[in-house]
Amino acid sequence: NAGVTQTPKFQVLKTGQSMTLQCAQDMNHEYMSWYRQDPGMGLRLIHYSVGAGITDQGEVPNGYNVSRSTTEDFPLRLLSAAPSQTSVYFCASRGTGDSNQPQHFGDGTRLSIL
Amino acid sequence: RKEVEQDPGPFNVPEGATVAFNCTYSNSASQSFFWYRQDCRKEPKLLMSVYSSGNEDGRFTAQLNRASQYISLLIRDSKLSDSATYLCVEAGGFKTIFGAGTRLFVKA
Repeated sequence: NAGVTQTPKFQVLKTGQSMTLQCAQDMNHEYMSWYRQDPGMGLRLIHYSVGAGITDQGEVPNGYNVSRSTTEDFPLRLLSAAPSQTSVYFCASRGTGDSNQPQHFGDGTRLSIL
Repeated sequence: RKEVEQDPGPFNVPEGATVAFNCTYSNSASQSFFWYRQDCRKEPKLLMSVYSSGNEDGRFTAQLNRASQYISLLIRDSKLSDSATYLCVEAGGFKTIFGAGTRLFVKA
């Protein structure tokens, strides 16, 4: 019963490097999203997807790209890492478009940019 | 104004106490509301959904007041294990908005 799986759990990058945070879910959820959480702050929505081939921006999309080629996977790409992107990143999913369903979270990726 | 506002706390209460958190939201069209619990450096986990008529799950009671646009969470007979951050969540359409959370410390 995997749920939402994120990899890696920890990562340290140098400024300017690029990388992809992986997220996969096995619940056949159509809706997936990426959040970042900074110390003492709430979750801020980066990007979300309502189904394969469909993505949209959230509250803080700059510096990040996403794609959704399959229902299961929703990777988040950092194009050129900056220290301001040091954060904990959470991926979440829920059932089709129905906001009455709560989101299920992965256990996060802790990212440090030096 | 933030879309979802919570008192950040911290709330420091003794074991056995009753504690209540409130949360206000700005989008009157929001359809769904939830309370999540987040332990230090862990992912948020659903505590309970919030229904218009109010709902209870053991020691936890959630209330929704659409007229005043706030939701509440009441925890009775607090346990040490209830120490965590409680996140208020509103959802409508395709966006889910999280509050910054209220920290609770339950002490022996």
